[in-house]
Amino acid sequence: DAGITQSPRYKITETGRQVTLMCHQTWSHSYMFWYRQDLGHGLRLIYYSAAADITDKGEVPDGYVVSRSKTENFPLTLESATRSQTSVYFCATTNDRVQPQHFGDGTRLSIL
Amino acid sequence: AQSVTQPDIHITVSEGASLELRCNYSYGATPYLFWYVQSPGQGLQLLLKYFSGDTLVQGIKGFEAEFKRSQSSFNLRKPSVHWSDAAEYFCAVGGGSSASKIIFGSGTRLSIRP
Repeated sequence: DAGITQSPRYKITETGRQVTLMCHQTWSHSYMFWYRQDLGHGLRLIYYSAAADITDKGEVPDGYVVSRSKTENFPLTLESATRSQTSVYFCATTNDRVQPQHFGDGTRLSIL
Repeated sequence: AQSVTQPDIHITVSEGASLELRCNYSYGATPYLFWYVQSPGQGLQLLLKYFSGDTLVQGIKGFEAEFKRSQSSFNLRKPSVHWSDAAEYFCAVGGGSSASKIIFGSGTRLSIRP
């Protein structure tokens, strides 16, 4: 039972490049979320999705794009990476908006 | 505005000692409250949650938390810590009609002294 799989686990790229972080879940949960974790900030919500083809902005959406054509996948794209987007990115899911979220193991992204 | 404050950035306790991690929240209605734990290189794992009812909530790994509405607090406690409890702990608050309304605190890093 894989649950949530994030890939890649580690990524190094250069400023200006496009990079896509993948999130795949096996539970068919309705809700999926992308967070970034930075020292001193805890987790900040980037985007979330309530169902396939339904997405909405979170607290820090600028510079990011998401899509959700299938329930199980929720990719996050940095269209033109900047150094300020160096962070650890977490995907999370839940089947009910008031229930706790389940987290993936994260993607550590470094932008040089 | 909705917010969560974890006033302690880093706490060190001796193995076998008791633990209390503080969490204060600001929320306009009855909140949903969560404590998560994060081990190095891992995602967050739910320790416990409070939605309603009994204000003392039991969680996994021997943790408990008490909801105090008058103090807007949801402190996490453990009577006797183990070396394996060393990790980062996050308090979170949510509620209302939007799934995006879950706010995480900045975390408290717990170190265990042998």
